[in-house]
Amino acid sequence: GEQVEQRPPHLSVREGDSAVIICTYTDPNSYYFFWYKQEPGAGLQLLMKVFSSTEINEGQGFTVLLNKKDKQLSLNLTAAHPGDSAVYFCAVSPTSGGNYKPTFGKGTSLVVHP
Amino acid sequence: EAAVTQSPRNKVAVTGGKVTLSCNQTNNHNNMYWYRQDTGHGLRLIHYSYGAGSTEKGDIPDGYKASRPSQENFSLILELATPSQTSVYFCASGERGEQYFGPGTRLTVL
Repeated sequence: GEQVEQRPPHLSVREGDSAVIICTYTDPNSYYFFWYKQEPGAGLQLLMKVFSSTEINEGQGFTVLLNKKDKQLSLNLTAAHPGDSAVYFCAVSPTSGGNYKPTFGKGTSLVVHP
Repeated sequence: EAAVTQSPRNKVAVTGGKVTLSCNQTNNHNNMYWYRQDTGHGLRLIHYSYGAGSTEKGDIPDGYKASRPSQENFSLILELATPSQTSVYFCASGERGEQYFGPGTRLTVL
């Protein structure tokens, strides 16, 4: 089955610095890709989604890149601020036969220091 | 208004007791999921459902049962709770892999 490796497990940066989190997956048939943010004591919150193509999506202060050739998904915070401190998870989902059981990375704990 | 709610939010149970965790969603999603989250393991899928009346085993189903009596409700049942089931449990609903999570239930089994 699908395997997702997420790195790094921990990341500490200063306010204004950039931060990059990378996920590598194994199933070339994976179709839907997601980033989630989890703040302390809360559930995961959908941050961004990308679909089956090399794609860059930009949100408020972050960029998501999908590279299907290398089976890699990345989240780049361009200028981190303390409110970005959280645990971030990537998730990868197939599309075959209506099976949308996603596989999650193990998460990256990001701390942004003022 | 929260679209995925869980109850209870906190639960203390005794070893060997029965525990039922409830989840309700107002997203009208067909798919619902139960996960547990433990330090060092990330999120692990216990059971999931494609719609009312269906339940499927996830990656770690042993010791757990699930019930989906309606589109809105999905329960996780621990018939004989053990201390190893102490964890935070999350329910989610979704479509096409996109998921919306509840706030979690912290379960402690003594």
